[in-house]
Amino acid sequence: DAGITQSPRHKVTETGTPVTLRCHQTENHRYMYWYRQDPGHGLRLIHYSYGVKDTDKGEVSDGYSVSRSKTEDFLLTLESATSSQTSVYFCAIRDGVNEQFFGPGTRLTVL
Amino acid sequence: SQQGEEDPQALSIQEGENATMNCSYKTSINNLQWYRQNSGRGLVHLILIRSNEREKHSGRLRVTLDTSKKSSSLLITASRAADTASYFCATEGSGGSEKLVFGKGMKLTVNP
Repeated sequence: DAGITQSPRHKVTETGTPVTLRCHQTENHRYMYWYRQDPGHGLRLIHYSYGVKDTDKGEVSDGYSVSRSKTEDFLLTLESATSSQTSVYFCAIRDGVNEQFFGPGTRLTVL
Repeated sequence: SQQGEEDPQALSIQEGENATMNCSYKTSINNLQWYRQNSGRGLVHLILIRSNEREKHSGRLRVTLDTSKKSSSLLITASRAADTASYFCATEGSGGSEKLVFGKGMKLTVNP
């Protein structure tokens, strides 16, 4: 899967708890992305990063924060999880042509 | 907001038949890409077509792009049961956007 992993792969948590998802790449790509996928909505961009410590918001960034302290890791944090954040989360990395390579996904359930 | 819109939303065909999926988009683009997603997996890049290209082939895949109509089509020839998946188009905005905007996807079922 293009040297990209996500952890955890599955998580169940309760409303109001903080959650951090990790994306790790071995490709040394500059760009990394976090998406969420929900039925009827397709894939929507949450945040992305264009370098270490350089991040920007996507379409659905409210309630999420990100950090990138080194090239290989991009963290997505839900400061206080809500049921509306139940979703499948995908991380992606980008090569020079803007083709994106996706991780296997994290299925998050917020009860 | 979604840029691409796939059509039809679901398609069921028999093995050996051709499958055609369409994508319409709204704004000027640098390129358009097609991705496949098998159930429970991440998306896999299939093919990219630039705004100055009209047609591109890759194996059994043929992609066309009509920038005047803001539309693209993906043709899968001689389909196989293994082609059963969801297919997404994604657009990169003109001006060198760092982001892709994905459509909602369409489900292709190839019956053996």
